[in-house]
Amino acid sequence: KQEVTQIPAALSVPEGENLVLNCSFTDSAIYNLQWFRQDPGKGLTSLLLIQSSQREQTSGRLNASLDKSSGRSTLYIAASQPGDSATYLCAVDNNDMRFGAGTRLTVKP
Amino acid sequence: EAQVTQNPRYLITVTGKKLTVTCSQNMNHEYMSWYRQDPGLGLRQIYYSMNVEVTDKGDVPEGYKVSRKEKRNFPLILESPSPNQTSLYFCASSSPKGTDTQYFGPGTRLTVL
Repeated sequence: KQEVTQIPAALSVPEGENLVLNCSFTDSAIYNLQWFRQDPGKGLTSLLLIQSSQREQTSGRLNASLDKSSGRSTLYIAASQPGDSATYLCAVDNNDMRFGAGTRLTVKP
Repeated sequence: EAQVTQNPRYLITVTGKKLTVTCSQNMNHEYMSWYRQDPGLGLRQIYYSMNVEVTDKGDVPEGYKVSRKEKRNFPLILESPSPNQTSLYFCASSSPKGTDTQYFGPGTRLTVL
């Protein structure tokens, strides 16, 4: 059974800092891995999707990497802003979707 | 506008009273799924559907039913709700599984008394 772990559970940084969120998974036979953002009381917004054959994806200040062999993915956020404050979830797609518990990010002005 | 809609957004009900949460998408997506989100447990998949008339169990299907009679709609049915089904529910859809990101609805907050 696929297990997805996100570290750290919470992170607080000053504005402008670069940061890395980590996601690990136990079964490398995945279709893809996705990173989502969730604001309090809201739904999920997709940030990046990495297919199993890809190593990384970039969107603006966000860069996600995937290392299937080690069961790891990282989400890199450059020059963080207060508007980046949210919970970030990673999800791996086998035959069903498995989500990590999320990292709650706070960016202080 | 491409979107996934859910209704109702908020629902308070009593144990045993059947209810349906509707989900509809306007993106002609084949794949649809339902999740519940609970504090400390994260998001867990309840059921998913690869296409019309094709549904399958996710991680936590007990106490739920689904149907997929039309491509755009994927209702979640609780035949006899119980307090442990109090949760935040999300519907999602995507193009053929594994090829595209999932688009999530705004969520339905269900309380079963």
